[in-house]
Amino acid sequence: SQTIHQWPATLVQPVGSPLSLECTVEGTSNPNLYWYRQAAGRGLQLLFYSVGIGQISSEVPQNLSASRPQDRQFILSSKKLLLSDSGFYLCAWSAWGKARGSGELFFGEGSRLTVL
Amino acid sequence: AQSVAQPEDQVNVAEGNPLTVKCTYSVSGNPYLFWYVQYPNRGLQFLLKYITGDNLVKGSYGFEAEFNKSQTSFHLKKPSALVSDSALYFCAVYSGGGADGLTFGKGTHLIIQP
Repeated sequence: SQTIHQWPATLVQPVGSPLSLECTVEGTSNPNLYWYRQAAGRGLQLLFYSVGIGQISSEVPQNLSASRPQDRQFILSSKKLLLSDSGFYLCAWSAWGKARGSGELFFGEGSRLTVL
Repeated sequence: AQSVAQPEDQVNVAEGNPLTVKCTYSVSGNPYLFWYVQYPNRGLQFLLKYITGDNLVKGSYGFEAEFNKSQTSFHLKKPSALVSDSALYFCAVYSGGGADGLTFGKGTHLIIQP
């Protein structure tokens, strides 16, 4: 069965410090991968998605970047964190090859980032 | 552009009573609609989806949702609420963007009172 791992689960970082959140998927090949941010425990905002190694699309301009160095690995990074980067970050995957829109997303357990 | 609205920030229901969590959508073309549930400090879990076919969709944990094209709604329902159903519920629509990216509503807190 497929599983998704996300770490670290909790992170407290000072303003201006770098960030690296990692997500890996097991049990599937060539997944579509996503990073979402959830602010104040409510709505989700799609930050990045990837359909393959090295292929990253950004949905919104921001202080963050994403990379996909391996098929089932997705990394969210920042060189210098801002206070506004605080939030709950969720990685998700969907199955490659599904007809568009028909494949549900499978989420990791999330990483809570607090920038002080 | 596709969008989804959840008009209620919070819904309170007594245990054993039926529950409804409302969702309306706006899409161009055929809608692909989803419901997810989130427990505190956890990731989202898929409940059910509507792609095509019967307007009444059955999902996990006894939940179902009714697709109404004329009212552009996809309300989540359950005949008898449990205290353990208390959580944050998200409606989502396939956004038409890259891959299978979804556009989510802002979420509705469902509180089931014993």
